[in-house]
Amino acid sequence: NAGVTQTPKFQVLKTGQSMTLQCAQDMNHEYMSWYRQDPGMGLRLIHYSVGAGITDQGEVPNGYNVSRSTTEDFPLRLLSAAPSQTSVYFCASSFFRTGFVDTQYFGPGTRLTVL
Amino acid sequence: GEDVEQSLFLSVREGDSSVINCTYTDSSSTYLYWYKQEPGAGLQLLTYIFSNMDMKQDQRLTVLLNKKDKHLSLRIADTQTGDSAIYFCAERAGGYNKLIFGAGTRLAVHP
Repeated sequence: NAGVTQTPKFQVLKTGQSMTLQCAQDMNHEYMSWYRQDPGMGLRLIHYSVGAGITDQGEVPNGYNVSRSTTEDFPLRLLSAAPSQTSVYFCASSFFRTGFVDTQYFGPGTRLTVL
Repeated sequence: GEDVEQSLFLSVREGDSSVINCTYTDSSSTYLYWYKQEPGAGLQLLTYIFSNMDMKQDQRLTVLLNKKDKHLSLRIADTQTGDSAIYFCAERAGGYNKLIFGAGTRLAVHP
């Protein structure tokens, strides 16, 4: 099993550019989520999904879009990048069969800089 | 609302015990987690405790839970330089469909 994979590892964008951060998992997990990590603020939930076709907003969804067309993939789209979106982004997945978030497995992260 | 708080920094001498503390606000939390993040890496689950337990031990790690005070601690015995990392406390909350993380405690181990 590869676990949770994320691409790219690093990215530099100019203000106003768009891009998609990729996340994939091969553990057949129902639940997938995106977090951003900023210094001194821990992880904040951006969006999450409890299954294919189902997504919902977390704490800090503005400026980001997600979709979940398959169980395996959960891409995060930045429509018009802003310097405030400079951060490290983590994708995570877990089982959700009982209706509860189970132990989450994290990807290695994508370090994004917006100039 | 839901909130998880941790002190930001802890420095210990190699071989000593480390105690990392965490407080949370959601009394309905069922599971509480400790994650470890090494430099440049993602988060790795260290251990977790169910809310009906007071203590859980796993080799060098001891988790203590005080539900009345909503206080969680992680004790690392015989701390080694390889334990230097950021440690995150997290609670399963918000209708059980998400985890709430603290800001992380940076543990520095010196000789």
